[in-house]
Amino acid sequence: SQTIHQWPATLVQPVGSPLSLECTVEGTSNPNLYWYRQAAGRGLQLLFYSVGIGQISSEVPQNLSASRPQDRQFILSSKKLLLSDSGFYLCAWAGQGETDTQYFGPGTRLTVL
Amino acid sequence: GQNIDQPTEMTATEGAIVQINCTYQTSGFNGLFWYQQHAGEAPTFLSYNVLDGLEEKGRFSSFLSRSKGYSYLLLKELQMKDSASYLCAVMDSNYQLIWGAGTKLIIKP
Repeated sequence: SQTIHQWPATLVQPVGSPLSLECTVEGTSNPNLYWYRQAAGRGLQLLFYSVGIGQISSEVPQNLSASRPQDRQFILSSKKLLLSDSGFYLCAWAGQGETDTQYFGPGTRLTVL
Repeated sequence: GQNIDQPTEMTATEGAIVQINCTYQTSGFNGLFWYQQHAGEAPTFLSYNVLDGLEEKGRFSSFLSRSKGYSYLLLKELQMKDSASYLCAVMDSNYQLIWGAGTKLIIKP
C-alpha cells in the first residue's frame, strides 16, 4: 500500500530564516505530487504541483519554491521566511489519472516568529 | 471567479443525522470530493461524485446535482469521533481542485 511521509511535524522559525520541508511517497511510481498551505479557517491553497522529476508548476507567486529531485521526493523551500508564511503545510500524492484522488501526508505546522 | 460555499459550523447530537451542504461555481466540472479533517491532522478522503445522484458508503453518503451546482454529505448515526471539519472540493476544467473553507461539525452527547 501507499504511504506518504512529511517532516518535520512542527517547526518554529524566525523571520528571515531559510526553510526546507520534505515529503516522500512509498508504494507507488511516478505519482503527481502537490504542496498545499492551509491557514486557519480557510480552504487549502495549492502552492506547487509536479507531474514528474524536475517538473514543477507554481500556482501562487511568493517567496517559496519547490523541487522534485527524485520520483517520490518533493521539497518545499524558502530562502527567507516571512510572518505570513506561517500555516499548516500539506503534501499530497495522486495517481497519473487526471481525476485521481489526492491523498495527504500528516502535514507540517510552521510558525514564523 | 471560482467559489465553493459551505456553512462554517454545524452542531448535531450523537446518534442523529446531519447534512452538510456545499454549493459551487467553477469554470468547468470534473468531479466533487469530500474530505474529513480532524483538528491538527491532515484531510482524509471520504467520497468522489462526478455523476448526479447519491453515493452511499456505510454511515456516510454524498449527493451531487450538477445542474444546481450543489452537493451534500449526509452522516448517519453520528458518533463522537465524527467531530471534525468536512471539506468540499471541486475539480475544475484544468483538473485542479478548488477547496471550500470547510464545515466544522460539533457532536454533542
